[in-house]
Amino acid sequence: DVKVTQSSRYLVKRTGEKVFLECVQDMDHENMFWYRQDPGLGLRLIYFSYDVKMKEKGDIPEGYSVSREKKERFSLILESASTNQTSMYLCASRSDRGPNQPQHFGDGTRLSIL
Amino acid sequence: DQQVKQNSPSLSVQEGRISILNCDYTNSMFDYFLWYKKYPAEGPTFLISISSIKDKNEDGRFTVFLNKSAKHLSLHIVPSQPGDSAVYFCAASEGAGGFKTIFGAGTRLFVKA
Repeated sequence: DVKVTQSSRYLVKRTGEKVFLECVQDMDHENMFWYRQDPGLGLRLIYFSYDVKMKEKGDIPEGYSVSREKKERFSLILESASTNQTSMYLCASRSDRGPNQPQHFGDGTRLSIL
Repeated sequence: DQQVKQNSPSLSVQEGRISILNCDYTNSMFDYFLWYKKYPAEGPTFLISISSIKDKNEDGRFTVFLNKSAKHLSLHIVPSQPGDSAVYFCAASEGAGGFKTIFGAGTRLFVKA
């Protein structure tokens, strides 16, 4: 079974702090994704990566950056946290072996910015 | 502007009956559609998918129907079970790579015993 592990289930940070959310997958997947989930808005794509050191902006990249130094790890960085970044953050990975592979999600990190 | 819409925030169904969850989309370039299921405190898990070249895909109690002319898809669960109570997300992507998957807001299904 694919395992996507997010380092924290709950995180509380202060406005202006630099925040790191970590995600690790164990299935050697090429593609990794970061989403945020907000009530009434579903999952919105922040960034994705299709290979080590490669990254692409999603639909809402403002205020975020990412890092993928190793294939299994994809980090989301909030450069200067703001209260409107309080949300549930979900990481996902996906194989490139065959078209239309589904994404596999971690259990999420609920981030509160005070 | 949401490209994938799930207009029903919640749905309540009696155990053993059919659950029908609906999803509408606006982008005619979408060619692959997926349903994910999410329990509280867990990440979404893939449930079933359908390509735009088909109009129906079935997997056990779950069937997805696609009506391209209406830009509408639906998920049927028959028979519904209490363990099906969860939030269901409809999602759509464009092209074989499909990196940018667009998700709906979700429908919370309650199956009453």
